[in-house]
Amino acid sequence: AQKVTQAQTEISVVEKEDVTLDCVYETRDTTYYLFWYKQPPSGELVFLIRRNSFDEQNEISGRYSWNFQKSTSSFNFTITASQVVDSAVYFCALSEAKRDDKIIFGKGTRLHILP
Amino acid sequence: DGGITQSPKYLFRKEGQNVTLSCEQNLNHDAMYWYRQDPGQGLRLIYYSQIVNDFQKGDIAEGYSVSREKKESFPLTVTSAQKNPTAFYLCASMENRKLFNYGYTFGSGTRLTVV
Repeated sequence: AQKVTQAQTEISVVEKEDVTLDCVYETRDTTYYLFWYKQPPSGELVFLIRRNSFDEQNEISGRYSWNFQKSTSSFNFTITASQVVDSAVYFCALSEAKRDDKIIFGKGTRLHILP
Repeated sequence: DGGITQSPKYLFRKEGQNVTLSCEQNLNHDAMYWYRQDPGQGLRLIYYSQIVNDFQKGDIAEGYSVSREKKESFPLTVTSAQKNPTAFYLCASMENRKLFNYGYTFGSGTRLTVV
């Protein structure tokens, strides 16, 4: 069965601090895709990153970085030098190649960046 | 600009009434999806469609119906049989996965409230 667990329901940090959002996934498939989405207060989910199961290379995009570790089934997301505009709900998600393109989402982590 | 348009943004329904949420995309995506979001529950899949005139039930399809008569449109009807329809509804679309799973593009959502 496929499952995504985001154990952190809510996190608050002071602006400029670094923060890591955890994501653990379960899948029996060898080919799968992992995603992170951001949901600001406006409600629309914004795509941040996609990783396929064959690419364990970590990625950095500006203040954002992602650490994909198949050995621990984790795909963690770090924001460096956080800003108030980073305040949002962040969703980790999983799609198995054999399951008709459906994406399974974690329950999300609400991030508060305090000025 | 290409994207997904959901309307209306806010919708109020009396108990016992059916309501239809609109979702239109001009991205030429084959697949479209409806998710429901409740506080602390993440996103749950209601229905999805991979091609015109075909759709499948997701995890929580009871009390909902859809149609896919055109590639661009995937309306969702919340029927009176849905016992707890108050929620935030998100529509999404995706390119043909046979090439690669690019993940979803989301609309800005419709917030439905039963009064």
